[in-house]
Amino acid sequence: LAKTTQPISMDSYEGQEVNITCSHNNIATNDYITWYQQFPSQGPRFIIQGYKTKVTNEVASLFIPADRKSSTLSLPRVSLSDTAVYYCLVVAYTSGTYKYIFGTGTRLKVLA
Amino acid sequence: NAGVTQTPKFQVLKTGQSMTLQCAQDMNHEYMSWYRQDPGMGLRLIHYSVGAGITDQGEVPNGYNVSRSTTEDFPLRLLSAAPSQTSVYFCASRSPGGSGANVLTFGAGSRLTVL
Repeated sequence: LAKTTQPISMDSYEGQEVNITCSHNNIATNDYITWYQQFPSQGPRFIIQGYKTKVTNEVASLFIPADRKSSTLSLPRVSLSDTAVYYCLVVAYTSGTYKYIFGTGTRLKVLA
Repeated sequence: NAGVTQTPKFQVLKTGQSMTLQCAQDMNHEYMSWYRQDPGMGLRLIHYSVGAGITDQGEVPNGYNVSRSTTEDFPLRLLSAAPSQTSVYFCASRSPGGSGANVLTFGAGSRLTVL
């Protein structure tokens, strides 16, 4: 099963674009990549998912290169409220069930 | 629509005591799971269930029991609490297959301290 590796922490300023890269070297053909956001004292919340190329929604964009060994979450023009922990998650379908492999997350701090 | 509800939010136990963390969802999700979150460790899967009567172990199952008698409920039991089980516990459920299978819905968490 694919393990994920992310930077432990990042700082940014309000209004900047933030890119968080996740490495998942052992990703399998059928695996999906998802990202979650977690605020203190709350459970993680789904942000975006993708298989390859680029996906965009109202919150973020997700870039996945052709080899799929990494992915990059892009948050446009962050605000103070985007301060949170962001988890890259590989969703693997194996042995007839889905498995969800969380990394240790990236703690993003947005500064005024 | 309440989503995933966990009780209690906070609990303090003494070593050797037993307790049950409750998890209920009202979305008719077949898949439910329990995670523990420790500083610097991310979320680690304890047990999961793909439907009523079906459970399986995750990464860190030792010291925990689960059962799934209904679609809605998935309780996590600690039979003899140990200080190493001090953690924040999250319950999550998931929609049926297709792209929804990639999306977990989490509860707000239960913070457990074992003295």
